[in-house]
Amino acid sequence: KNQVEQSPQSLIILEGKNCTLQCNYTVSPFSNLRWYKQDTGRGPVSLTIMTFSENTKSNGRYTATLDADTKQSSLHITASQLSDSASYICVVRETSGGSYIPTFGRGTSLIVHP
Amino acid sequence: DGGITQSPKYLFRKEGQNVTLSCEQNLNHDAMYWYRQDPGQGLRLIYYSQIVNDFQKGDIAEGYSVSREKKESFPLTVTSAQKNPTAFYLCASSYPRSMNTEAFFGQGTRLTVV
Repeated sequence: KNQVEQSPQSLIILEGKNCTLQCNYTVSPFSNLRWYKQDTGRGPVSLTIMTFSENTKSNGRYTATLDADTKQSSLHITASQLSDSASYICVVRETSGGSYIPTFGRGTSLIVHP
Repeated sequence: DGGITQSPKYLFRKEGQNVTLSCEQNLNHDAMYWYRQDPGQGLRLIYYSQIVNDFQKGDIAEGYSVSREKKESFPLTVTSAQKNPTAFYLCASSYPRSMNTEAFFGQGTRLTVV
């Protein structure tokens, strides 16, 4: 069964510090991996997408990496801000008869303290 | 503005009652999805629809029903057969057959059984 495992489950950091979130997956055949940010009580919003051939992609203070050989991805947040407090969800999409069904991780809850 | 809208934001239901959650999108997306999110859990797929008048069960379809009579609308009915319906429900839409397509989420409906 396809699985997406995220770590840590929760993380507390001080404003201005950096942090890295991890995502390991077993989804196959792999199509793409996307990181979402979900504020409390809201729907998730896409931060970045990684395809098989991409190793690193940045979106402002967010940098995602992908190692398709080891099936691992990370999301690095630089110079954290209070507004970064949210749940970060890793979503891996497989190809299944052209349906591209996504598998969601449980998310990492990030709290940024002043 | 293009987007996906869920209503209501909060919903209370008495035990034994059916209740319908609304999801509407004006993004011209063919695919629509319903997910359930419980505290500390990842998003779990309830139902999805790739095209009008067609839908498929997800991982936790028991106790739920859907319809897709229009491209823009994908309502979810939580029936009395769903034993633990209290949760946060998210609707999403996307282009189904585009490999890197982003799923856009609504703001969610929080259902509480009283």
